Amino acid sequence: DAGVIQSPRHEVTEMGQEVTLRCKPISGHNSLFWYRQTMMRGLELLIYFNNNVPIDDSGMPEDRFSAKMPNASFSTLKIQPSEPRDSAVYFCASSPGRRKIATNEKLFFGSGTQLSVL
Amino acid sequence: AQKITQTQPGMFVQEKEAVTLDCTYDTSDQSYGLFWYKQPSSGEMIFLIYQGSYDEQNATEGRYSLNFQKARKSANLVISASQLGDSAMYFCASGSYNTDKLIFGTGTRLQVFP
Repeated sequence: DAGVIQSPRHEVTEMGQEVTLRCKPISGHNSLFWYRQTMMRGLELLIYFNNNVPIDDSGMPEDRFSAKMPNASFSTLKIQPSEPRDSAVYFCASSPGRRKIATNEKLFFGSGTQLSVL
Repeated sequence: AQKITQTQPGMFVQEKEAVTLDCTYDTSDQSYGLFWYKQPSSGEMIFLIYQGSYDEQNATEGRYSLNFQKARKSANLVISASQLGDSAMYFCASGSYNTDKLIFGTGTRLQVFP
């Protein structure tokens, strides 16, 4: 199994530019999560999908952030326009979850995208 | 709201010794799960161990065990016979059906020295 695949691994961009992060979950997994990791705030859940439907986007910082999951094997997280404070590591994770997250549902994480906004 | 507290920003342990990483949680849910993840310097998040709130036995996975004390709301990770490769960040996390998301603590950086 290839695991959760994220691209790119590193992204350096200038303030104001659009950034798109990509994620391919593990085949057969029904839930997909986007997390952001910073030194100041640790790991924060931004949004998660179940069966391609956004279930909870309360962690999305503001309207500059948007996420889509057009099919079971692909998701994007877009930041437009990007700002220096968006610099962080963005993780995608998936789990088998058939409905809501179960209490024993472990997450499988991708390698993350290191985003630097100058 | 759920909250995870890891009070040790950094820990040192000598190779082959055991080490305990602390984690306390705050939840009003009756049914919840507790997780530990390892993040080495390469950055990936690796699942280590899980404990369910109704599990009577402490979870064990190889050299990892979870010291679950429900009344004290603590879920400490014990690593026995530490190895140099155990040097990493360790995150405690909690998830519940009602909260419907996995919440992470701030992490503990473990350094294993020879």
